[in-house]
Amino acid sequence: EVQLVESGGGLDQPGGSLRLSCAASGFSFSNYWMNWVRQAPGKGLEWVANINEDGSEKYYVDSVKGRFTISRDNAKNSLYLQMNSLRAEDTAVYYCARGWGYLLYWGQGTLVTVSS
Amino acid sequence: DIQMTQSPSSLSASVGDRVTITCRASQGISNFLAWYQQKPGKVPKLLIYAASTLQSGVPSRFSGSGSGTDFTLTISSLQPEDVATYYCQNYNSAPWTFGQGTKVEAK
Repeated sequence: EVQLVESGGGLDQPGGSLRLSCAASGFSFSNYWMNWVRQAPGKGLEWVANINEDGSEKYYVDSVKGRFTISRDNAKNSLYLQMNSLRAEDTAVYYCARGWGYLLYWGQGTLVTVSS
Repeated sequence: DIQMTQSPSSLSASVGDRVTITCRASQGISNFLAWYQQKPGKVPKLLIYAASTLQSGVPSRFSGSGSGTDFTLTISSLQPEDVATYYCQNYNSAPWTFGQGTKVEAK
């Protein structure tokens, strides 16, 4: 069974940093693109970033470029999102999701709140 | 970036009604279009990919069509469990983008 479990969310101040993790199991992690998608409270879905199988290709939505970094450790079956210079508008549930293109498997999400 | 515009933003329909949601891309995306269903407090669920391919296990009352810039999600006979918000997603080129969502309610 495919499982994606996010962790690392919490409350941080504007300008702060957080590192999200996503632990994957039930599939061959190193064979798949992985993604971060976020959803602000009461709002729609926003794709944030993705990374290819070996970490050599990464793409970001403009609003996080230069602030967020996606990475992965295939030996640990883990995906990461390093979030720096946090802003209030980064407040959201962050989901990790598997795949290139359409996203079949999603984690349950981790809530990031940016507030002073 | 490619903008995805869904209409309507919300709708109310009776059980058994045919429901149609449209999604328009700001430029052509071929058939690189997916539809998701999200129920309150739940994780998004993939319904359709490649514009018209039904994901395994999704009821056949759901269907998708379109190519290029105009796409449609149809629920042939609305069921109570279909109350949810529906999103389209472009995956033609990064950054991938979602529509703003269509909230479907039952009368």
